[in-house]
Amino acid sequence: DVKVTQSSRYLVKRTGEKVFLECVQDMDHENMFWYRQDPGLGLRLIYFSYDVKMKEKGDIPEGYSVSREKKERFSLILESASTNQTSMYLCASSLFADPNGYTFGSGTRLTVV
Amino acid sequence: DQQVKQNSPSLSVQEGRISILNCDYTNSMFDYFLWYKKYPAEGPTFLISISSIKDKNEDGRFTVFLNKSAKHLSLHIVPSQPGDSAVYFCAASAGETSGSRLTFGEGTQLTVNP
Repeated sequence: DVKVTQSSRYLVKRTGEKVFLECVQDMDHENMFWYRQDPGLGLRLIYFSYDVKMKEKGDIPEGYSVSREKKERFSLILESASTNQTSMYLCASSLFADPNGYTFGSGTRLTVV
Repeated sequence: DQQVKQNSPSLSVQEGRISILNCDYTNSMFDYFLWYKKYPAEGPTFLISISSIKDKNEDGRFTVFLNKSAKHLSLHIVPSQPGDSAVYFCAASAGETSGSRLTFGEGTQLTVNP
């Protein structure tokens, strides 16, 4: 079974802090994605990556950056956390051009106070 | 703009009856459609998909119908079971040009009452 592991289930950070959300997958998938889930808005794509050191902006990249130094790890960075970034963050991975193959992590509930 | 829309935030049905979840899309480039299911405190899991060259795909109790002219798809669950209670997300992909990037709808909370 493909596993996507997100380092924290719950996180509370202060406004202005730099926040790192880590995601690791163990099946050699090329693609990795970061989404946020908000009530009434569904899942919105923040950033994605097709390969090591590659990154593409999704639909809502403002206030975020990403890092993919190794194939299995994709990090989401909030440079200066704000209260409107309080959300559920979901990481996913897939083989290239295989939308059926999305595997999601369990999510990180981030609260910015 | 919301390219994939699920207009019903919630749906409640009796056990054993049919559940019908609906989804509309606006982007004509979408050619592959999926349904994901999400339980609380878990990530979404893939349920069923359909390519734009088909109008129906069945997998056990789950059937997805696609009406390309109306840009509409629906998920039918028959018979519904209490364990089907979850949030269902519709998603769409623009094929190889997107590299499997998915655009999701807002989700529909399905509650199946015993």
